[in-house]
Amino acid sequence: RKEVEQDPGPFNVPEGATVAFNCTYSNSASQSFFWYRQDCRKEPKLLMSVYSSGNEDGRFTAQLNRASQYISLLIRDSKLSDSATYLCVSPYSSASKIIFGSGTRLSIRP
Amino acid sequence: DGGITQSPKYLFRKEGQNVTLSCEQNLNHDAMYWYRQDPGQGLRLIYYSQIVNDFQKGDIAEGYSVSREKKESFPLTVTSAQKNPTAFYLCASSPPLAGGNYNEQFFGPGTRLTVL
Repeated sequence: RKEVEQDPGPFNVPEGATVAFNCTYSNSASQSFFWYRQDCRKEPKLLMSVYSSGNEDGRFTAQLNRASQYISLLIRDSKLSDSATYLCVSPYSSASKIIFGSGTRLSIRP
Repeated sequence: DGGITQSPKYLFRKEGQNVTLSCEQNLNHDAMYWYRQDPGQGLRLIYYSQIVNDFQKGDIAEGYSVSREKKESFPLTVTSAQKNPTAFYLCASSPPLAGGNYNEQFFGPGTRLTVL
């Protein structure tokens, strides 16, 4: 099992739809998680941090399920500008282990 | 403005040449990182540094070297020993670890290296 695994997609949904995707992780000791957004040929930018059970920021909700070892990202009322690749990150408590998932591609169509 | 800068944005090199990628940050972050990203792939850690004059190998350090002489700077050298150096290189920094949780990373705009 990969340490951090994501469905590569692409997820192709209409504007205004709700879309969700998961990220599974293998190290149960991980304390915090992050979702990054990466636009084509650009650097990743932090979208949300998840330190406990979850986090909500406007249309975006991230949830952590420690029992099943996954985090999810839910996007409500999706916009065309949400089209991007979403990277899940599971850092361990030491700096040497920062594991990025390979990303989930999301495409919002008009 | 505070941030991370990488230069150059695009870099072309002939096979067999060493090349150095620049990374500078004025965020006063202790930790800095270098990643490599190949098309359709996630980020892979090359090297990281938690403090000046100290750095550690990541998962794919072979063929690369770094230095950390100043807190603000973490240059990466891609040597001729790196067999497949064409990739998108990203530098990142993060503030110190706090309360057992790991802090997020802030990325520079990246350098696209193409070996001709």
